[in-house]
Amino acid sequence: EADIYQTPRYLVIGTGKKITLECSQTMGHDKMYWYQQDPGMELHLIHYSYGVNSTEKGDLSSESTVSRIRTEHFPLTLESARPSHTSQYLCASSLFGANEKLFFGSGTQLSVL
Amino acid sequence: DAKTTQPTSMDCAEGRAANLPCNHSTISGNEYVYWYRQIHSQGPQYIIHGLKNNETNEMASLIITEDRKSSTLILPHATLRDTAVYYCIAGTPTLGRLYFGRGTQLTVWP
Repeated sequence: EADIYQTPRYLVIGTGKKITLECSQTMGHDKMYWYQQDPGMELHLIHYSYGVNSTEKGDLSSESTVSRIRTEHFPLTLESARPSHTSQYLCASSLFGANEKLFFGSGTQLSVL
Repeated sequence: DAKTTQPTSMDCAEGRAANLPCNHSTISGNEYVYWYRQIHSQGPQYIIHGLKNNETNEMASLIITEDRKSSTLILPHATLRDTAVYYCIAGTPTLGRLYFGRGTQLTVWP
């Protein structure tokens, strides 16, 4: 099974706080992704990375930022959380290739009060 | 990525085959068809993918029409644990993204 981990699983935080959502994978995958999903809605790609020192913005504009200093680690940071950031954040990874499949973590449910 | 169209919801009796349709009439020649599912509050799980030929694995079968404008995911013997949202995606991950729509909510009843 996939070895991709997200922490925390749930996070409740006040407005204005800085937060970092962690995502790590032990599969040596080159590519990593962050998706945002509201209940019953589609997943929106907000960031992705092709490898170390590579980061790209996704289809949905996001106030979050990401970094890729190590292959296995792809953290997402919000400098100042707002209630509009309340959502589920899903991290995924894949091997670079013609038809690689995505492996997803269990997600972080973020609630900003 | 090509746009896909799926029914909003379907149901199926336990033990019966579940056939989930997907239309992708604008799919281009180098785009694959992927199926994922998402059980409540978890990350999506890969099921199967294909380009032109029909595919089968331990989870499901994928039937792609000859013109590649539609496909069907078949769960041969649905169980209660197959209750989930199923996403059909037409795309090429090498471009950096796959578009997950709202999918089909499959409910398997006893």
